[in-house]
Amino acid sequence: AQSVTQLGSHVSVSEGALVLLRCNYSSSVPPYLFWYVQYPNQGLQLLLKYTSAATLVKGINGFEAEFKKSETSFHLTKPSAHMSDAAEYFCAVSEVGNQFYFGTGTSLTVIP
Amino acid sequence: KAGVTQTPRYLIKTRGQQVTLSCSPISGHRSVSWYQQTPGQGLQFLFEYFSETQRNKGNFPGRFSGRQFSNSRSEMNVSTLELGDSALYLCASSLAGGNSGNTIYFGEGSWLTVV
Repeated sequence: AQSVTQLGSHVSVSEGALVLLRCNYSSSVPPYLFWYVQYPNQGLQLLLKYTSAATLVKGINGFEAEFKKSETSFHLTKPSAHMSDAAEYFCAVSEVGNQFYFGTGTSLTVIP
Repeated sequence: KAGVTQTPRYLIKTRGQQVTLSCSPISGHRSVSWYQQTPGQGLQFLFEYFSETQRNKGNFPGRFSGRQFSNSRSEMNVSTLELGDSALYLCASSLAGGNSGNTIYFGEGSWLTVV
């Protein structure tokens, strides 16, 4: 089975600062990787998806992620944090049959 | 286009009872999967249905079951509820099935509290 590790269950950044959320995966085959965001009392919303077309993937709300095969990483970044970015972020890898493996999540706090 | 719809949004049940949760996927989506989300265990895969057939099942006891109807709507059932079943149950749908790489789209979830 595949696994996903998100380093840092809680990350705090100042408004306007760089956001960096870390994700490492284990996969024996080229993976499909995703970042989802969850706002309070809501379901998960897709931020971006890596499908091997390009190593730098741009998503919604100014987020992007870079796939690094040598490091088995797929870290999420945003140049300038906004108050509305405060949420829970999940990294996930999928395999055949739409079975997704999620990381434990990173709660992002944005300090005004 | 309507998103994934889950009902009910909130419910409270007593230990030993059973519960049925419903999910209507995005129109045209034939794959429906279910996840349990708890603070301690995070998001855990329950099962996935495609064209009325269960294709994948996670590591949950037999008290957790599901089904999918011909219109792709899905239900999941939990029998003999335990306190530990209190969680947010998320349904997700996808256009196709079989290959990895399909994006799944989530509903807002059903909050189950077992007392």
